[in-house]
Amino acid sequence: DTEVTQTPKHLVMGMTNKKSLKCEQHMGHRAMYWYKQKAKKPPELMFVYSYEKLSINESVPSRFSPECPNSSLLNLHLHALQPEDSALYLCASSQDWAGDSYEQYFGPGTRLTVT
Amino acid sequence: SQQGEEDPQALSIQEGENATMNCSYKTSINNLQWYRQNSGRGLVHLILIRSNEREKHSGRLRVTLDTSKKSSSLLITASRAADTASYFCATGGGDSSYKLIFGSGTRLLVRP
Repeated sequence: DTEVTQTPKHLVMGMTNKKSLKCEQHMGHRAMYWYKQKAKKPPELMFVYSYEKLSINESVPSRFSPECPNSSLLNLHLHALQPEDSALYLCASSQDWAGDSYEQYFGPGTRLTVT
Repeated sequence: SQQGEEDPQALSIQEGENATMNCSYKTSINNLQWYRQNSGRGLVHLILIRSNEREKHSGRLRVTLDTSKKSSSLLITASRAADTASYFCATGGGDSSYKLIFGSGTRLLVRP
């Protein structure tokens, strides 16, 4: 199974809501990532988990809170978001974490709209 | 910050023609990767080329790497309508060696 799944596919939330994005992989990968992608732009790294530990936080605002409950799951908890946070949120995984040395497998993304 | 800049930003070709996309990067690298993204979907890994390789093939894809010019190109031969997508190069390197940074991307349209 070489698939990364993400739920939900679409999410509309108000600025006072709390919601969570979920990501799952069963490839035994030890690194998992959250990216944010705005329209017609490349993905931008938000967080890296390596061996279930948060290894990188790219100075992401605290209204985004990642969680890695186990080696297969990755969550992104959202609270008090701003309209400019509307974007496609992509989850990815790789065999290990080493910059450009491993290919990353991406999920289909969650299209988030903040109203 | 972007490690890679891609050229052209957009490309429109007829089915059956070849498509060439170029990527330039700024710092030394270990590897360079190419990804494809269909509209509004996740990225799909196409090919990884190591810094000591000059050319790599995968099906209709041909990737070249010139580390002296800090540039790479992706050639898609005999294009199909299904190749319509955005294509990104990605690499680490420099102060950002711990992560993959994606180039600005080339949007390819293959007209049937």
